[in-house]
Amino acid sequence: NAGVTQTPKFQVLKTGQSMTLQCAQDMNHNSMYWYRQDPGMGLRLIYYSASEGTTDKGEVPNGYNVSRLNKREFSLRLESAAPSQTSVYFCALGDRGATGELFFGEGSRLTVL
Amino acid sequence: DQQVKQNSPSLSVQEGRISILNCDYTNSMFDYFLWYKKYPAEGPTFLISISSIKDKNEDGRFTVFLNKSAKHLSLHIVPSQPGDSAVYFCAASAWGGATNKLIFGTGTLLAVQP
Repeated sequence: NAGVTQTPKFQVLKTGQSMTLQCAQDMNHNSMYWYRQDPGMGLRLIYYSASEGTTDKGEVPNGYNVSRLNKREFSLRLESAAPSQTSVYFCALGDRGATGELFFGEGSRLTVL
Repeated sequence: DQQVKQNSPSLSVQEGRISILNCDYTNSMFDYFLWYKKYPAEGPTFLISISSIKDKNEDGRFTVFLNKSAKHLSLHIVPSQPGDSAVYFCAASAWGGATNKLIFGTGTLLAVQP
């Protein structure tokens, strides 16, 4: 997963607290994505960004905001965390290419009490 | 409505035998299909993909078969090795400009017994 850095790797929050997950890349891709993984649910797309300054909703955007201030970084913010947002969050990047591949970070495990 | 389905949550195979993982999809607009492998506490890693204009793609021990009329794809691993034990996700994408939004299945946990 070299080239995609997520921080923090672990976080415990109380209900109602806010936090931001950070993702940075050094692979020069235009498109970046945030997914969440839950048991029995696979990976679901939260938000994505086709380029600097643009963002779009995915399958499960409620309760989240994102920011793409430059090409390298894409952040995911929880303004008021809820227990339903306990999950593992993955940042991914990749443009439409020959294999259709996305490159994933190592994940950020978030627990909301 | 799940567009990509993996109906087998788990699969157990003996080392050296063939592992067959299955995936069904509903959206006929999908034009790329991928398989990802995931170990615990790591991010998913790309394994193999296939374009909708093909029916087979092979890479070493891994082969993906696509049956468009049945909206079904499968991943064959031959021979299976203990290091193949992981969760395997099927994914699909539809042409949508520059981005590459993948829709994932729920995963199949493969256990390869020594």
